[in-house]
Amino acid sequence: NAGVTQTPKFQVLKTGQSMTLQCAQDMNHNSMYWYRQDPGMGLRLIYYSASEGTTDKGEVPNGYNVSRLNKREFSLRLESAAPSQTSVYFCASSEAISPRTDTQYFGPGTRLTVL
Amino acid sequence: AQKVTQAQTEISVVEKEDVTLDCVYETRDTTYYLFWYKQPPSGELVFLIRRNSFDEQNEISGRYSWNFQKSTSSFNFTITASQVVDSAVYFCALSETETSGSRLTFGEGTQLTVNP
Repeated sequence: NAGVTQTPKFQVLKTGQSMTLQCAQDMNHNSMYWYRQDPGMGLRLIYYSASEGTTDKGEVPNGYNVSRLNKREFSLRLESAAPSQTSVYFCASSEAISPRTDTQYFGPGTRLTVL
Repeated sequence: AQKVTQAQTEISVVEKEDVTLDCVYETRDTTYYLFWYKQPPSGELVFLIRRNSFDEQNEISGRYSWNFQKSTSSFNFTITASQVVDSAVYFCALSETETSGSRLTFGEGTQLTVNP
């Protein structure tokens, strides 16, 4: 079991460029999440997908879009990157359809720098 | 709105000392879950423990122990006989079941440094 995997591990973009962060899990989990981690701010939820076919906004969704491609994969897209989106991005997954009660397991993170 | 406060930004101890990381939370829900995660220098987030709001029993796992007190809205984490490998950022997190949707609210983290 690889758990939650993320690609790429590192990325540098110029302002205005677009890119997609990929996330996959092999634990047959129903729910998946995208967080960003900024210094001194803990992790903040960007978007989540409670089950295949559904997505919802989290605390900081502006500037991002997501796609739940299938049960395993959940991608995060930056259409026009801005320096404020420089951050470490974590994908997570959890088992239950009621994810509020369930443990989330995290991927290794993607370190994104926008110049 | 739910909130998690980890007032200790950084703690530095010498190996073998005991250390307690504080976590205070705010929620209007009667049913909620609390978590601790560890983030070592390599950057990944490692799940340590989950506790629901109806279970106030303290938990011990090896050198780790957790003290959940509903009366003070605290869920503190103690490492006994700390080791250099315990050096990491530790996050406390809260998941409400009634009002917040599917999300974890994280504290800002406590950077623990254990010196040899």
